[in-house]
Amino acid sequence: QSALSQPASVSGSPGQSITISCTGTSNDIGSYKYVAWYQQHPGKAPKLMIYEVNYRPSGVSNRFSGSKSGNTASLTISGLQAEDEADYYCSSYTTSGALGFGGGTKLTVL
Amino acid sequence: QEQLVESGGGVVQPGGSLRLSCAASGFTFSNYAMHWVRQAPGKGLEWVAIVWYDGSNKSYRDSVKGRFAISRDNSKKTLYLEMNNLRADDTAVYYCARDRFQSGSYCDYWGQGTLVSVSS
Repeated sequence: QSALSQPASVSGSPGQSITISCTGTSNDIGSYKYVAWYQQHPGKAPKLMIYEVNYRPSGVSNRFSGSKSGNTASLTISGLQAEDEADYYCSSYTTSGALGFGGGTKLTVL
Repeated sequence: QEQLVESGGGVVQPGGSLRLSCAASGFTFSNYAMHWVRQAPGKGLEWVAIVWYDGSNKSYRDSVKGRFAISRDNSKKTLYLEMNNLRADDTAVYYCARDRFQSGSYCDYWGQGTLVSVSS
């Protein structure tokens, strides 16, 4: 099954910017615009933060942005805030009709 | 406002069965594909299955094929996951999630999850 690759952890100081990468293949990220990013705080359900590579749902801060190049997608968070500390997951639709998730990245705000 | 509420989780012995339900409200349930996604304790998100808006197409991750069955009742606005021959590695919080479209794309709304624990 499709498993996308993310770094296990990233960190940054308040006010800084960080980028989380999500690497897939031509069978998922490389073939579809349906790349999404989710934020999950401990004990909570995931929340959609970015959809279709670079669109933000209503209510999500414009400090969050997404991009894609080839088989790799990226999430950038600018102006880091303490409340951004959470786990982040990417997802992509796949050619097999499944949904692939990344392994998750733990963001620590120093 | 869109809402998804899962139920049916609990403790079950290896080899046992369980049926999860997900009640939808606040949107036209029959217009959207639906997913089950699980998360083992301390682990990441793992997609389990999808059913298209009209129930015409279903897909599963390899490890649950032949054991799990996803279904929906659009008249009751409810999604189901029938789980048979459960194994210890099926232990997880199971989330139902709405797809943005009628077939697969990404999950835009999630329930709060229901815990399934497989243990003797």
